[in-house]
Amino acid sequence: GAVVSQHPSWVICKSGTSVKIECRSLDFQATTMFWYRQFPKQSLMLMATSNEGSKATYEQGVEKDKFLINHASLTLSTLTVTSAHPEDSSFYICSARDFVRGSTEAFFGQGTRLTVV
Amino acid sequence: GQQVMQIPQYQHVQEGEDFTTYCNSSTTLSNIQWYKQRPGGHPVFLIQLVKSGEVKKQKRLTFQFGEAKKNSSLHITATQTTDVGTYFCAGIYAGGGNKLTFGTGTQLKVEL
Repeated sequence: GAVVSQHPSWVICKSGTSVKIECRSLDFQATTMFWYRQFPKQSLMLMATSNEGSKATYEQGVEKDKFLINHASLTLSTLTVTSAHPEDSSFYICSARDFVRGSTEAFFGQGTRLTVV
Repeated sequence: GQQVMQIPQYQHVQEGEDFTTYCNSSTTLSNIQWYKQRPGGHPVFLIQLVKSGEVKKQKRLTFQFGEAKKNSSLHITATQTTDVGTYFCAGIYAGGGNKLTFGTGTQLKVEL
């Protein structure tokens, strides 16, 4: 099946710094990718929809200036957490679907555990 | 906005017992998907249901989509320790732009 690779798998950063997370579709082109946030023992909350070549669509309550999304190619989307604070510590996970093949199954990256100290 | 609730939140069973998780949406769904997330892992797709009243089986797992397309269930027969994880339903709403709205999840623990 399709593979989505996310990097890094974990990161620890100091408060006030920025962190970039990459999400790559390895064997298919993803015009759309999705970014989620998951707190311990909770569900996945959609943060934004990343669209190749255009601006991301953010869910209500998600600060677009805080969580910068760039989808510059058909296989790569990045999420940058700017000026991170301890409350941004969470599990961030991306997903993509192979719409070209008509697949509705979402393939998830391995996730990135962010700890802000 | 749309909400997808799942019950129970947690379930502990003895190996060999059956398990069921229920998923309810506040509004009608176009289709519903089920995912399994192992501890520390990422969600893995299990199945998609599209038609009203649809039932699908995968070995010991049985998935149902309600007639009104607002609820769904996952039933596992004779659980095994490998079934441990959190099961999420995820719905797609008409006009929702292919976004998945995840349910609250049911964490399953299986004891020997």
